[in-house]
Amino acid sequence: AQTVTQSQPEMSVQEAETVTLSCTYDTSESDYYLFWYKQPPSRQMILVIRQEAYKQQNATENRFSVNFQKAAKSFSLKISDSQLGDAAMYFCAYYSGSARQLTFGSGTQLTVLP
Amino acid sequence: NAGVTQTPKFRILKIGQSMTLQCAQDMNHNYMYWYRQDPGMGLKLIYYSVGAGITDKGEVPNGYNVSRSTTEDFPLRLELAAPSQTSVYFCASRSGTGPATNEKLFFGSGTQLSVL
Repeated sequence: AQTVTQSQPEMSVQEAETVTLSCTYDTSESDYYLFWYKQPPSRQMILVIRQEAYKQQNATENRFSVNFQKAAKSFSLKISDSQLGDAAMYFCAYYSGSARQLTFGSGTQLTVLP
Repeated sequence: NAGVTQTPKFRILKIGQSMTLQCAQDMNHNYMYWYRQDPGMGLKLIYYSVGAGITDKGEVPNGYNVSRSTTEDFPLRLELAAPSQTSVYFCASRSGTGPATNEKLFFGSGTQLSVL
Protein backbone atom coordinates (compact mmCIF):
# COMPACT_ATOMS: atom_id res chain seq x y z
CA ALA A 1 0.00 0.00 0.00
CA GLN A 2 1.11 3.51 -0.70
CA THR A 3 1.96 5.84 2.15
CA VAL A 4 2.29 9.61 2.19
CA THR A 5 4.30 11.33 4.91
CA GLN A 6 4.22 14.99 5.85
CA SER A 7 6.79 15.45 8.58
CA GLN A 8 5.92 19.06 9.43
CA PRO A 9 2.69 19.26 11.45
CA GLU A 10 2.97 23.07 11.62
CA MET A 11 4.81 25.75 9.69
CA SER A 12 4.76 29.52 9.80
CA VAL A 13 5.90 32.17 7.35
CA GLN A 14 6.00 35.95 7.27
CA GLU A 15 3.73 37.63 4.79
CA ALA A 16 5.48 38.12 1.42
CA GLU A 17 8.13 35.52 2.26
CA THR A 18 8.60 32.05 0.79
CA VAL A 19 7.85 28.77 2.52
CA THR A 20 8.37 25.14 1.52
CA LEU A 21 6.20 22.29 2.73
CA SER A 22 7.64 18.78 2.60
CA CYS A 23 6.07 15.53 1.45
CA THR A 24 7.50 12.10 0.85
CA TYR A 25 5.74 9.02 -0.41
CA ASP A 26 6.36 5.35 -0.80
CA THR A 27 5.30 3.39 -3.86
CA SER A 28 6.38 0.69 -6.25
CA GLU A 29 4.14 1.93 -9.03
CA SER A 30 5.23 3.84 -12.10
CA ASP A 31 1.82 5.31 -12.97
CA TYR A 32 0.74 7.80 -10.35
CA TYR A 33 -0.05 11.43 -9.73
CA LEU A 34 0.68 13.74 -6.86
CA PHE A 35 -1.40 16.59 -5.56
CA TRP A 36 -1.36 19.35 -3.00
CA TYR A 37 -4.70 20.32 -1.49
CA LYS A 38 -5.50 23.30 0.70
CA GLN A 39 -8.11 23.10 3.44
CA PRO A 40 -9.08 26.46 4.98
CA PRO A 41 -11.22 26.69 8.13
CA SER A 42 -14.31 26.35 5.93
CA ARG A 43 -13.25 22.67 5.52
CA GLN A 44 -13.57 22.79 1.76
CA MET A 45 -10.75 20.90 0.01
CA ILE A 46 -9.20 23.02 -2.71
CA LEU A 47 -6.81 21.65 -5.30
CA VAL A 48 -3.62 23.73 -5.33
CA ILE A 49 -1.40 21.92 -7.79
CA ARG A 50 -0.91 18.52 -9.42
CA GLN A 51 2.07 16.63 -10.85
CA GLU A 52 2.15 13.65 -13.18
CA ALA A 53 4.85 11.14 -12.24
CA TYR A 54 5.94 10.68 -15.86
CA LYS A 55 6.68 14.39 -16.28
CA GLN A 56 10.12 15.56 -15.28
CA GLN A 57 9.19 19.22 -15.35
CA ASN A 58 8.01 20.60 -12.06
CA ALA A 59 4.44 21.92 -12.03
CA THR A 60 3.77 25.58 -11.29
CA GLU A 61 0.54 27.49 -10.63
CA ASN A 62 1.13 31.19 -10.12
CA ARG A 63 2.79 31.55 -6.68
CA PHE A 64 2.75 27.79 -6.08
CA SER A 65 5.37 25.41 -7.41
CA VAL A 66 6.59 21.95 -6.62
CA ASN A 67 9.97 20.28 -6.40
CA PHE A 68 9.34 16.76 -7.63
CA GLN A 69 12.23 14.38 -6.99
CA LYS A 70 11.03 11.04 -8.33
CA ALA A 71 14.03 8.95 -7.34
CA ALA A 72 13.88 10.31 -3.80
CA LYS A 73 10.07 10.04 -3.77
CA SER A 74 9.81 13.61 -2.60
CA PHE A 75 7.19 16.19 -3.55
CA SER A 76 7.56 19.53 -1.80
CA LEU A 77 5.35 22.59 -2.25
CA LYS A 78 6.85 26.07 -2.44
CA ILE A 79 4.65 29.08 -1.81
CA SER A 80 6.19 32.36 -2.91
CA ASP A 81 5.11 35.82 -1.80
CA SER A 82 2.95 34.31 0.95
CA GLN A 83 -0.38 35.97 1.58
CA LEU A 84 -2.66 35.95 4.60
CA GLY A 85 -5.18 33.98 2.57
CA ASP A 86 -2.68 31.15 2.18
CA ALA A 87 -3.13 30.23 5.84
CA ALA A 88 -4.70 26.77 5.89
CA MET A 89 -4.03 23.08 6.34
CA TYR A 90 -2.14 21.68 3.36
CA PHE A 91 -2.40 18.04 2.38
CA CYS A 92 -0.14 16.14 0.07
CA ALA A 93 -1.93 13.35 -1.80
CA TYR A 94 -0.93 10.41 -3.96
CA TYR A 95 -3.20 9.01 -6.64
CA SER A 96 -2.69 5.41 -7.72
CA GLY A 97 -3.49 4.84 -11.38
CA SER A 98 -4.09 1.14 -10.77
CA ALA A 99 -6.06 1.35 -7.52
CA ARG A 100 -7.89 4.54 -8.55
CA GLN A 101 -7.58 5.88 -5.02
CA LEU A 102 -6.20 9.00 -3.39
CA THR A 103 -4.02 8.59 -0.30
CA PHE A 104 -3.53 11.66 1.85
CA GLY A 105 -0.77 12.70 4.18
CA SER A 106 -1.53 13.91 7.70
CA GLY A 107 -1.30 17.57 6.74
CA THR A 108 0.75 20.67 7.55
CA GLN A 109 -0.92 23.61 9.25
CA LEU A 110 0.45 26.79 7.69
CA THR A 111 0.25 30.08 9.56
CA VAL A 112 1.00 33.33 7.74
CA LEU A 113 2.22 36.09 10.03
CA PRO A 114 1.45 39.71 9.14
CA ASN B 1 -23.46 25.36 -9.68
CA ALA B 2 -24.30 23.14 -6.71
CA GLY B 3 -21.36 20.76 -7.16
CA VAL B 4 -21.19 18.20 -4.34
CA THR B 5 -23.80 18.63 -1.62
CA GLN B 6 -23.56 16.92 1.74
CA THR B 7 -26.21 16.79 4.42
CA PRO B 8 -26.34 17.24 7.32
CA LYS B 9 -23.45 19.59 8.18
CA PHE B 10 -23.43 18.59 11.83
CA ARG B 11 -24.87 15.67 13.75
CA ILE B 12 -24.61 14.21 17.23
CA LEU B 13 -25.42 10.54 17.69
CA LYS B 14 -25.68 8.33 20.71
CA ILE B 15 -23.75 5.07 20.78
CA GLY B 16 -25.65 2.39 18.89
CA GLN B 17 -27.78 4.75 16.84
CA SER B 18 -27.87 4.60 13.07
CA MET B 19 -27.85 7.32 10.47
CA THR B 20 -27.26 8.03 6.81
CA LEU B 21 -24.99 10.76 5.53
CA GLN B 22 -26.27 12.07 2.24
CA CYS B 23 -24.13 13.04 -0.73
CA ALA B 24 -25.38 14.27 -4.07
CA GLN B 25 -23.60 15.69 -7.10
CA ASP B 26 -25.14 17.37 -10.12
CA MET B 27 -22.16 17.12 -12.47
CA ASN B 28 -22.94 13.66 -13.87
CA HIS B 29 -19.72 12.34 -12.37
CA ASN B 30 -19.04 8.62 -12.48
CA TYR B 31 -16.61 8.41 -9.57
CA MET B 32 -17.70 9.19 -6.05
CA TYR B 33 -15.82 8.80 -2.77
CA TRP B 34 -16.37 8.91 0.97
CA TYR B 35 -13.52 9.99 3.24
CA ARG B 36 -13.22 10.55 6.94
CA GLN B 37 -10.88 13.05 8.53
CA ASP B 38 -9.92 12.59 12.15
CA PRO B 39 -8.53 15.55 14.10
CA GLY B 40 -5.01 16.45 12.97
CA MET B 41 -5.01 13.71 10.37
CA GLY B 42 -5.36 13.38 6.64
CA LEU B 43 -8.35 11.94 4.86
CA LYS B 44 -8.85 8.20 4.82
CA LEU B 45 -10.93 6.52 2.14
CA ILE B 46 -13.97 4.63 3.42
CA TYR B 47 -15.74 3.55 0.23
CA TYR B 48 -15.81 4.57 -3.38
CA SER B 49 -17.91 4.00 -6.46
CA VAL B 50 -17.01 4.09 -10.14
CA GLY B 51 -20.60 4.19 -11.34
CA ALA B 52 -24.19 3.40 -10.47
CA GLY B 53 -24.48 -0.07 -8.98
CA ILE B 54 -20.73 -0.42 -8.37
CA THR B 55 -19.09 0.17 -5.00
CA ASP B 56 -15.85 -0.93 -3.42
CA LYS B 57 -14.11 -0.73 -0.07
CA GLY B 58 -11.41 1.76 0.72
CA GLU B 59 -8.91 1.80 3.53
CA VAL B 60 -11.32 2.00 6.51
CA PRO B 61 -14.71 0.47 5.55
CA ASN B 62 -15.60 -1.28 8.83
CA GLY B 63 -18.76 0.05 10.43
CA TYR B 64 -20.04 1.63 7.22
CA ASN B 65 -22.13 0.72 4.23
CA VAL B 66 -22.82 2.47 0.95
CA SER B 67 -25.08 2.17 -2.04
CA ARG B 68 -25.08 3.79 -5.46
CA SER B 69 -28.49 3.33 -7.06
CA THR B 70 -28.17 6.49 -9.16
CA THR B 71 -25.31 8.45 -10.66
CA GLU B 72 -26.17 11.47 -8.53
CA ASP B 73 -26.41 9.99 -5.04
CA PHE B 74 -23.93 8.13 -2.87
CA PRO B 75 -25.21 7.81 0.71
CA LEU B 76 -23.05 6.52 3.56
CA ARG B 77 -24.76 4.46 6.25
CA LEU B 78 -23.60 4.02 9.84
CA GLU B 79 -25.50 1.12 11.39
CA LEU B 80 -24.33 1.05 15.03
CA ALA B 81 -22.54 4.26 15.80
CA ALA B 82 -19.42 4.03 17.95
CA PRO B 83 -17.27 6.80 19.50
CA SER B 84 -14.46 5.80 17.11
CA GLN B 85 -16.63 7.07 14.27
CA THR B 86 -16.49 10.62 15.56
CA SER B 87 -14.95 12.43 12.63
CA VAL B 88 -15.52 14.82 9.77
CA TYR B 89 -16.84 13.04 6.70
CA PHE B 90 -16.19 14.26 3.18
CA CYS B 91 -17.84 13.18 -0.01
CA ALA B 92 -16.04 13.79 -3.30
CA SER B 93 -16.59 13.16 -6.98
CA ARG B 94 -14.84 13.34 -10.32
CA SER B 95 -15.88 12.72 -13.87
CA GLY B 96 -13.95 9.49 -14.46
CA THR B 97 -14.13 9.88 -18.21
CA GLY B 98 -10.53 10.93 -18.63
CA PRO B 99 -7.14 10.54 -17.03
CA ALA B 100 -7.06 11.49 -13.36
CA THR B 101 -4.46 14.08 -14.17
CA ASN B 102 -6.97 16.04 -16.23
CA GLU B 103 -9.75 15.88 -13.72
CA LYS B 104 -10.44 17.87 -10.61
CA LEU B 105 -11.71 16.11 -7.54
CA PHE B 106 -14.68 18.03 -6.21
CA PHE B 107 -15.31 17.89 -2.48
CA GLY B 108 -18.40 18.57 -0.46
CA SER B 109 -18.17 20.84 2.57
CA GLY B 110 -18.14 17.97 5.03
CA THR B 111 -20.32 16.53 7.79
CA GLN B 112 -19.07 16.81 11.35
CA LEU B 113 -20.29 13.77 13.29
CA SER B 114 -19.93 13.24 17.03
CA VAL B 115 -20.83 9.94 18.67
CA LEU B 116 -21.33 10.24 22.40
